Amino acid sequence: GAGVSQSPSNKVTEKGKDVELRCDPISGHTALYWYRQSLGQGLEFLIYFQGNSAPDKSGLPSDRFSAERTGGSVSTLTIQRTQQEDSAVYLCASSSLSTGPLHFGNGTRLTVT
Amino acid sequence: SQQGEEDPQALSIQEGENATMNCSYKTSINNLQWYRQNSGRGLVHLILIRSNEREKHSGRLRVTLDTSKKSSSLLITASRAADTASYFCATDDYGQNFVFGPGTRLSVLP
Repeated sequence: GAGVSQSPSNKVTEKGKDVELRCDPISGHTALYWYRQSLGQGLEFLIYFQGNSAPDKSGLPSDRFSAERTGGSVSTLTIQRTQQEDSAVYLCASSSLSTGPLHFGNGTRLTVT
Repeated sequence: SQQGEEDPQALSIQEGENATMNCSYKTSINNLQWYRQNSGRGLVHLILIRSNEREKHSGRLRVTLDTSKKSSSLLITASRAADTASYFCATDDYGQNFVFGPGTRLSVLP
């Protein structure tokens, strides 16, 4: 496809379960970003990848959050032992340049019950 | 602390009027970008202005940048109901991520 693809689009999970969110960036884009957006709020930076490496993990809110990127393409964001405060829309974006612009996917809406 | 702060938080105008949103930031930047978001899902890039530029146009959009005041404005002329969305500024501070403000919610009434 031409755009950034995220899956699943919606995920409902029980508190304490692990979830894995997937991002398929635009082909050839070396930079990949994960953001989190709570209802009616701005975007909270989580992590940035340049190729397969993550030089900036400063935004990950706790050690329950981890992310990886393989082959310079697909990235997965894993949340272990989910909590209700993890409920949010998780947005992925990719870019061909470190200076942007960013191309966003439609996000994964995570609800922890 | 947040790099970009949009103002106002919410704006309601009539169709055909102009809408102006402002963004302030704190540190030196490489560029500043404006994005639009419908229905709380993905953001769409609207326009990028570099730190050495003062004004940029794209269709009905006009962006200005004042680096001495660390501020930018987005003007949407002749607004339409379809312009109803949230608008965010994002700054690239030569770092490795883009910092977004809390956004301005624009409502254009028919």
